Amino acid sequence: GAVVSQHPSRVICKSGTSVKIECRSLDFQATTMFWYRQFPKQSLMLMATSNEGSKATYEQGVEKDKFLINHASLTLSTLTVTSAHPEDSSFYICSAGQGSWRDTIYFGEGSWLTVV
Amino acid sequence: KQEVTQIPAALSVPEGENLVLNCSFTDSAIYNLQWFRQDPGKGLTSLLLIQSSQREQTSGRLNASLDKSSGRSTLYIAASQPGDSATYLCAVRTGETSGSRLTFGEGTQLTVNP
Repeated sequence: GAVVSQHPSRVICKSGTSVKIECRSLDFQATTMFWYRQFPKQSLMLMATSNEGSKATYEQGVEKDKFLINHASLTLSTLTVTSAHPEDSSFYICSAGQGSWRDTIYFGEGSWLTVV
Repeated sequence: KQEVTQIPAALSVPEGENLVLNCSFTDSAIYNLQWFRQDPGKGLTSLLLIQSSQREQTSGRLNASLDKSSGRSTLYIAASQPGDSATYLCAVRTGETSGSRLTFGEGTQLTVNP
């Protein structure tokens, strides 16, 4: 099946710094990718929809200046957490579909962010 | 606003038992429904995708059904194994574009005891 890869799987950064998480579709082109955040023992919370070649669409309550999303190509989307704070520590997951609403949505392995 | 509910929140069964996980959604105007498995600290693995026009899908020991009009789906796991222990999430897709979102349930945490 289709594969979506995230990197890094774990990252620790200092408070006030920025960290970038990459999401790649390895064997298909994804015009749209999705970024989620997951708190312990909770379900996924959609943060934003990443559109290739255009601005991301953010969910209500998500700070677009803090969570910068860039979808530079059909196989790569990046999430940059700027000026990270300990409350940004979380599990971040991306997903992508193959283009049609009929298609399976595939998820990356997730990235654990710890801000110290 | 679409809401997805999964019952039970947690389930513990002995190895070998057949079990059913339930998923319900409030808006029946869905395009498809997808069941996922999530292991602790990991991403989501797609298990089954059911289109709105379908009634069920099968893969190995897994069978998922969909009753769109009543807003319900079930995931049946036959002959459960300890390796099936994970959190199972259902998600519905409510748009027809590639950018249409998934709405997730809270998940059922399954433990299969040896």
